[in-house]
Amino acid sequence: SQQGEEDPQALSIQEGENATMNCSYKTSINNLQWYRQNSGRGLVHLILIRSNEREKHSGRLRVTLDTSKKSSSLLITASRAADTASYFCATAGVSETSGSRLTFGEGTQLTVNP
Amino acid sequence: ETGVTQTPRHLVMGMTNKKSLKCEQHLGHNAMYWYKQSAKKPLELMFVYSLEERVENNSVPSRFSPECPNSSHLFLHLHTLQPEDSALYLCASSQIGMGETQYFGPGTRLLVL
Repeated sequence: SQQGEEDPQALSIQEGENATMNCSYKTSINNLQWYRQNSGRGLVHLILIRSNEREKHSGRLRVTLDTSKKSSSLLITASRAADTASYFCATAGVSETSGSRLTFGEGTQLTVNP
Repeated sequence: ETGVTQTPRHLVMGMTNKKSLKCEQHLGHNAMYWYKQSAKKPLELMFVYSLEERVENNSVPSRFSPECPNSSHLFLHLHTLQPEDSALYLCASSQIGMGETQYFGPGTRLLVL
């Protein structure tokens, strides 16, 4: 499987419910990021968690990171129809020369039904 | 929407055409990226430019030719493409050493006939 593999591939819930998406990766990381993509558009950064952090919150988002299991989860609480999008995790490491390289997973398609 | 713009937003080209995609970032960043997003596949990193120097080229066919004339602009020159090159091409920028968050443009939807 690939670095940054999301689970499930698709998730359909009702408005007001919580949505949980998981991400697994294989190699050591500097940080892990979650992005959101509306259909056919660019990605929008949601939250970044560093390898020495275990949990982070931002509004209705909660991200956890377990480096021993090489996994992360994204929880969206009290979901809204506007949360319908694809969600990607991306692992980051700094190259030897310069610049930052992100490796993306295949994404979870979240559908929130009104 | 974001500080990264891409033109055109949609492009249809024949296999013998030559076209260019343009990306411009207004965020003062010093690294820029080209990604390819195909259906049912993860984002593929194509090229990385850092401080206007290409630091990564992920085995991309030579029919894709990047150009970074300055830290704010990035081009992807296309020639003799194949139908399997049809995809969403995304540009992103970041500031090296500042959290590695990348800011994406809206993408160019490319269809090769």
